[in-house]
Amino acid sequence: DVKVTQSSRYLVKRTGEKVFLECVQDMDHENMFWYRQDPGLGLRLIYFSYDVKMKEKGDIPEGYSVSREKKERFSLILESASTNQTSMYLCASSVSGLGDEKLFFGSGTQLSVL
Amino acid sequence: RKEVEQDPGPFNVPEGATVAFNCTYSNSASQSFFWYRQDCRKEPKLLMSVYSSGNEDGRFTAQLNRASQYISLLIRDSKLSDSATYLCVVNEKDSGYSTLTFGKGTMLLVSP
Repeated sequence: DVKVTQSSRYLVKRTGEKVFLECVQDMDHENMFWYRQDPGLGLRLIYFSYDVKMKEKGDIPEGYSVSREKKERFSLILESASTNQTSMYLCASSVSGLGDEKLFFGSGTQLSVL
Repeated sequence: RKEVEQDPGPFNVPEGATVAFNCTYSNSASQSFFWYRQDCRKEPKLLMSVYSSGNEDGRFTAQLNRASQYISLLIRDSKLSDSATYLCVVNEKDSGYSTLTFGKGTMLLVSP
């Protein structure tokens, strides 16, 4: 079974802190994604990566950056956390990049920025 | 602007009922379509892909109408365990990359 592991289930940070959200997948998937999910807004794509050291902006990249130094690990970075970044963050991975792939999600990180 | 629209619900139905969800998408170039299911406080999981010819998986039937840019999901003989949020998902191709755009979801509550 594919496993996508996010480092923390719950995280509380203060405004202005630098925050790292880590995601690791164990199935050698090429593609990895970061989404955030907010009530009434659904899932929105922040960044994605189709290869090591490759990254592409999604629909809402502002205030975020990512790092993919190894194939299995995709990190989301909040350079200076703000209260409007309080959200559920979901990492996902998939095999192919043709748009017909099945996404496997981690269990999510609920981030609260105070 | 990419848009995938769903009725947010909630749909409250008794066990055994048949319920249908609809979804519309704005990008006529979209190539692939899916329904995902998300249980409360859990991550989304793929329920089924949607094909032009329509497809069925047990009590679940998905249909696609490309001309109207419309996708549907029909659940027959609803079970308590079907209570969840159902997400309509559309593949979008932008700048050479394919990504998935999620609708906001339709909540289903099945009661005894």
